[in-house]
Amino acid sequence: QQQVKQSPQSLIVQKGGISIINCAYENTAFDYFPWYQQFPGKGPALLIAIRPDVSEKKEGRFTISFNKSAKQFSLHIMDSQPGDSATYFCAASKGDDKIIFGKGTRLHILP
Amino acid sequence: DAGVIQSPRHEVTEMGQEVTLRCKPISGHNSLFWYRQTMMRGLELLIYFNNNVPIDDSGMPEDRFSAKMPNASFSTLKIQPSEPRDSAVYFCASTKTGGAGANVLTFGAGSRLTVL
Repeated sequence: QQQVKQSPQSLIVQKGGISIINCAYENTAFDYFPWYQQFPGKGPALLIAIRPDVSEKKEGRFTISFNKSAKQFSLHIMDSQPGDSATYFCAASKGDDKIIFGKGTRLHILP
Repeated sequence: DAGVIQSPRHEVTEMGQEVTLRCKPISGHNSLFWYRQTMMRGLELLIYFNNNVPIDDSGMPEDRFSAKMPNASFSTLKIQPSEPRDSAVYFCASTKTGGAGANVLTFGAGSRLTVL
């Protein structure tokens, strides 16, 4: 059972454009929604995270939008740069329980 | 801190051989996770430990897979016998749980396993 569904599987964006990755979850008890970024040959690393008591969180060019009623959240990368090319994973967890990851989105920013 | 340390970084073996992957978590972290990454399935949680005790091993594919955490600074994931479909990148991650705040996982660099 896949509890976190992520789309698209891959994404190509022009430099300077906006990259958008979407995720949907099923378990309404989830209370923490992180995004992880993974570069080739490396392990994933935390990029940005949100809790369901806010609808948006912004850190630099990265923004999470959260829709609790729709059980959806998304990552927006503004002014996308070639250095943002990586695989992005959304995830969800409840309390100290295990973190469930989406299948990932391979993002490629064209120079 | 050196981060989460995994070894070996690359392993090529033949079908039927035993494979042992090793992980040293960050000092002070009390939870350790083993993940497997493939193109088809993404990041799959295999097993996780809390305070050296296995909490959830429901992701372990079959009896050929086993994991141990004999102490707070070391864990192993063993595959015996290995099969070509086990080829993947295996990640170890650790975090500190049991207190206020979110679980921020710190991943190792991974062990890329190829079973011929």
